[in-house]
Amino acid sequence: DTGVSQNPRHKITKRGQNVTFRCDPISEHNRLYWYRQTLGQGPEFLTYFQNEAQLEKSRLLSDRFSAERPKGSFSTLEIQRTEQGDSAMYLCASSLANTEAFFGQGTRLTVV
Amino acid sequence: AQSVTQLGSHVSVSEGALVLLRCNYSSSVPPYLFWYVQYPNQGLQLLLKYTTGATLVKGINGFEAEFKKSETSFHLTKPSAHMSDAAEYFCAVSDPNTGNQFYFGTGTSLTVIP
Repeated sequence: DTGVSQNPRHKITKRGQNVTFRCDPISEHNRLYWYRQTLGQGPEFLTYFQNEAQLEKSRLLSDRFSAERPKGSFSTLEIQRTEQGDSAMYLCASSLANTEAFFGQGTRLTVV
Repeated sequence: AQSVTQLGSHVSVSEGALVLLRCNYSSSVPPYLFWYVQYPNQGLQLLLKYTTGATLVKGINGFEAEFKKSETSFHLTKPSAHMSDAAEYFCAVSDPNTGNQFYFGTGTSLTVIP
């Protein structure tokens, strides 16, 4: 399967801990996106990479959130000092320029 | 700035009946438009897209949508609902000049009644 892969699928963490999620995009896609989705809502944009450059960040992305895409391949999203409000589904997507986005299965984060 | 409005957070139809899910958008430029479907605890799967050309676009699983610029709409239809169509549906828009993010509506949950 050459789709977008996200790991882990599920993560339960205690409040205050740090967590890191990984996304492996479709190999030829130069664009990579992170979204957050809470229950009953549509995906909310977090950040966007073109190759290794992080070109846009949402105001939703507080200082506790950081994303990287070294070498323009896989990406990681780290949340430091997690809070209960961080509980959500974190979705990664990739695309070529000006085409549709292909989404991974998501990582569901539960902060207890 | 771009945004999407999906009227009706919940839609119920009988099996075999017409499915109509509404999407209106706001965009300062002619947008690219998408419909995605999401099953529980899954990511989003593309149903269909409009970029340029024919305004009636056909997608997977018998769905189609029509881009109506004058109405700023991109409603999703399917002539005959199937039980397997029960899912969450999201309309999305992007700026074709930048494509730096996709703006999603809040979604419509489709229930199919046997």
